Amino acid sequence: AQSVTQPDIHITVSEGASLELRCNYSYGATPYLFWYVQSPGQGLQLLLKYFSGDTLVQGIKGFEAEFKRSQSSFNLRKPSVHWSDAAEYFCAVGASNTDKLIFGTGTRLQVFP
Amino acid sequence: DTAVSQTPKYLVTQMGNDKSIKCEQNLGHDTMYWYKQDSKKFLKIMFSYNNKELIINETVPNRFSPKSPDKAHLNLHINSLELGDSAVYFCASSGGRELFFGEGSRLTVL
Repeated sequence: AQSVTQPDIHITVSEGASLELRCNYSYGATPYLFWYVQSPGQGLQLLLKYFSGDTLVQGIKGFEAEFKRSQSSFNLRKPSVHWSDAAEYFCAVGASNTDKLIFGTGTRLQVFP
Repeated sequence: DTAVSQTPKYLVTQMGNDKSIKCEQNLGHDTMYWYKQDSKKFLKIMFSYNNKELIINETVPNRFSPKSPDKAHLNLHINSLELGDSAVYFCASSGGRELFFGEGSRLTVL
């Protein structure tokens, strides 16, 4: 069965600083990987996804993520954070034989001016 | 023209009551889901339906009964509400692997 770990519960960065949110997954085959963002009181919005091909994927709002099979990781990055990026970020993994997505426990991002 | 819409957005009720949450999607997707997000923001799948047929039931108590009258709608009925049912319930739909979420329905059981 697949699983996802987001080691960082809470991260604080200054506006304009770079950001990396960690995600590690466990799955025997090539997984489907996602990053979602949840603003307070809102639903989840897809930032980016990886199914196959180029391991560096670009998403919305200037985010990117890199799939590293050797490290079972799919870390999310942004070169320069904006105050509006403050939100909860969820990594998720899916498998080829099910429609189910398994979510990590989330990382709360706080941005200081 | 919200893609996945849920009603109500907020629901406050007493223990033991029965309540329903409705979900509709206008994306033409075949698969719909209910997820539960607890107070620690943990998201867990409850059910999925594909074209009105139950596909996933994640050992949810049988007080929870999903109903899909057509592939654009998936409602969630909860009987005999308990304090532990307090959470945000998210409906989602999918035409492939990517999920599209509604804005959530916050249920508070007193």
